[in-house]
Amino acid sequence: NAGVTQTPKFQVLKTGQSMTLQCAQDMNHEYMSWYRQDPGMGLRLIHYSVGAGITDQGEVPNGYNVSRSTTEDFPLRLLSAAPSQTSVYFCASSKDREGTEAFFGQGTRLTVV
Amino acid sequence: AQKVTQAQTEISVVEKEDVTLDCVYETRDTTYYLFWYKQPPSGELVFLIRRNSFDEQNEISGRYSWNFQKSTSSFNFTITASQVVDSAVYFCALRGGNAGNMLTFGGGTRLMVKP
Repeated sequence: NAGVTQTPKFQVLKTGQSMTLQCAQDMNHEYMSWYRQDPGMGLRLIHYSVGAGITDQGEVPNGYNVSRSTTEDFPLRLLSAAPSQTSVYFCASSKDREGTEAFFGQGTRLTVV
Repeated sequence: AQKVTQAQTEISVVEKEDVTLDCVYETRDTTYYLFWYKQPPSGELVFLIRRNSFDEQNEISGRYSWNFQKSTSSFNFTITASQVVDSAVYFCALRGGNAGNMLTFGGGTRLMVKP
């Protein structure tokens, strides 16, 4: 199993550009989520999904869109990049809501100039 | 709302010292789960331990031990005889027991172990 795969690992965007961060998992996990990591703030939840076709907002959803058309994939779209979205992004998946641990991708370091 | 507080932002120790990383949490859920993750300099997040709210037994795994106390809403992590390879950022996280609850992370504690 590859686990959780995120692409790309690094990205530089200009303000106003849009892009999609890809996330795929091969563990047949129902729960998937996106977090951003900023210095001193830990990881904050952007959007999450409890199954294919179901998504919901987390703590910091503004400026991001998600969809979950399959169990395996959970892409994160930046609609119009802003410097405030410079961050490290992590995708995670977990088996269910019974407290199983979340598995994280390697992260995407995004810089918006 | 859930909240996790890691009051220690940075800790520096000399190799072989013991070190405790503090974690205090807030939740209204009666069922919840607590986690510790390690983030080494390479950046990935490594799962260390999970505890559910019904199990207050302390756990030891090699040089690592965890002290869960519901009475003080704390889930502290101790590394015994620290090593340079323990240098990392450590995150405490909480997940509520209701459907759809995701992880709420503390701000992290950066541990530097000097030789």
